[in-house]
Amino acid sequence: AQSVTQLGSHVSVSEGALVLLRCNYSSSVPPYLFWYVQYPNQGLQLLLKYTSAATLVKGINGFEAEFKKSETSFHLTKPSAHMSDAAEYFCAVSEPGNQFYFGTGTSLTVIP
Amino acid sequence: DAMVIQNPRYQVTQFGKPVTLSCSQTLNHNVMYWYQQKSSQAPKLLFHYYDKDFNNEADTPDNFQSRRPNTSFCFLDIRSPGLGDAAMYLCATSRDRGKDTEAFFGQGTRLTVV
Repeated sequence: AQSVTQLGSHVSVSEGALVLLRCNYSSSVPPYLFWYVQYPNQGLQLLLKYTSAATLVKGINGFEAEFKKSETSFHLTKPSAHMSDAAEYFCAVSEPGNQFYFGTGTSLTVIP
Repeated sequence: DAMVIQNPRYQVTQFGKPVTLSCSQTLNHNVMYWYQQKSSQAPKLLFHYYDKDFNNEADTPDNFQSRRPNTSFCFLDIRSPGLGDAAMYLCATSRDRGKDTEAFFGQGTRLTVV
C-alpha cells in the first residue's frame, strides 16, 4: 500500500530564508506525488505535482520539489520564505486506480 | 470563480440530530471525494464516488453516508452526530481516479456538535 511520511510536523524559518519541507513516500509502483497548501479555515490548494515527466517540478508561489527515486523522497523547497507562506503543507500520493492519501502535514511558521 | 462549492461553511448541529453537508462542482469531474479533517491532522478519506459508483473506506463509520444524485452534486449525511464528529469536512473532485490528475478542493464545512 502506498503512503507518505512528512518529517517534522512544525517548521520555523526566518523571512527570506530557505524553506525545506520533507516528504518520503512508500509505493510499490511509480507514484504520482502532490504538494498541497492549506491556509486556516480553507480547503487545500495544489502547489505542484509529479507525474514522471520531469524530476524537478516547479509550482506556484515560487515553490518547487524534486523527485528522487533512490531516496523515495519528494521534498518541497522555496529559496526565500515570505510571511504569506505561513500555512499547513501536505504531501499526497496517488497510484493509478487509487485515490489520494495525505501525509500528516507540516505547519510552516515564518518569523519576521 | 469557485469550482468546488461547499455549503454551508459553518454548521452547528445538536448531538444525535441528523445533518447534511452539500458539495457542488462546475468542473464536470467524474470523481467526488469526502474527507474528514480534525484539528492539526491530515485529511482522512471517508468515501468517494467514481461517477455513480460509491466506494466506502473500510474504516468509515456507518454513521456516515453519502449521496450523489447527479454529476454536479454530492452530499454527506451524518445520521447521528457525536461530539467526536466535530471536524472540518472537505469535498474534492478529480477528473479521473488516481493517475496524474489532481484533486480540487472546496473551502470546507466546519461542523460543530453541541
